Amino acid sequence: TQLLEQSPQFLSIQEGENLTVYCNSSSVFSSLQWYRQEPGEGPVLLVTVVTGGEVKKLKRLTFQFGDARKDSSLHITAAQPGDTGLYLCAGEQGAQKLVFGQGTRLTINP
Amino acid sequence: DTAVSQTPKYLVTQMGNDKSIKCEQNLGHDTMYWYKQDSKKFLKIMFSYNNKELIINETVPNRFSPKSPDKAHLNLHINSLELGDSAVYFCASSQVPGNWDEQYFGPGTRLTVT
Repeated sequence: TQLLEQSPQFLSIQEGENLTVYCNSSSVFSSLQWYRQEPGEGPVLLVTVVTGGEVKKLKRLTFQFGDARKDSSLHITAAQPGDTGLYLCAGEQGAQKLVFGQGTRLTINP
Repeated sequence: DTAVSQTPKYLVTQMGNDKSIKCEQNLGHDTMYWYKQDSKKFLKIMFSYNNKELIINETVPNRFSPKSPDKAHLNLHINSLELGDSAVYFCASSQVPGNWDEQYFGPGTRLTVT
């Protein structure tokens, strides 16, 4: 059983479109992170959300932490080919351990 | 300047062999980690070391033995390799345990067991 479920697992859209990917759990997390991973590289941290209902923006990316701190979403406006990659969410479980979702593989077509 | 480096980048070997993957970080961090990413991209923590001491061991088979000769290095030795060990292994580091905002990953080592 996956602790963090990401959806969709695969998403392919045209440049300029908007998209939202989701990270859901039945567990409460003290913090949740989003990473982007490109082929042949390690994950790179995009953002950490800590407070229920928190919204953070990173240029065209908007991250939201659910009020109950069980879920999160990532919204990208006007997607660009450079946004292509694997997006991973991760929640802090207990002390000193991160649990990852299975990722959303995003492809932005020019 | 590479913050977290791993060698080798690719490793192809046969079942039953013993192999090692090396990791070094030049960030001055106290904590280092090993993660395994399977073919479905599911990333899971295996070990965590703080100041050369093991603090997390996630029910990994004892064929896997991490070794930390100093704070800047965390190597992973795998005995009697099995097909199911094929995966990408990532090393990471952070200043202190659980400081996820400052966790940096290496580029990964793709292990293929034939």
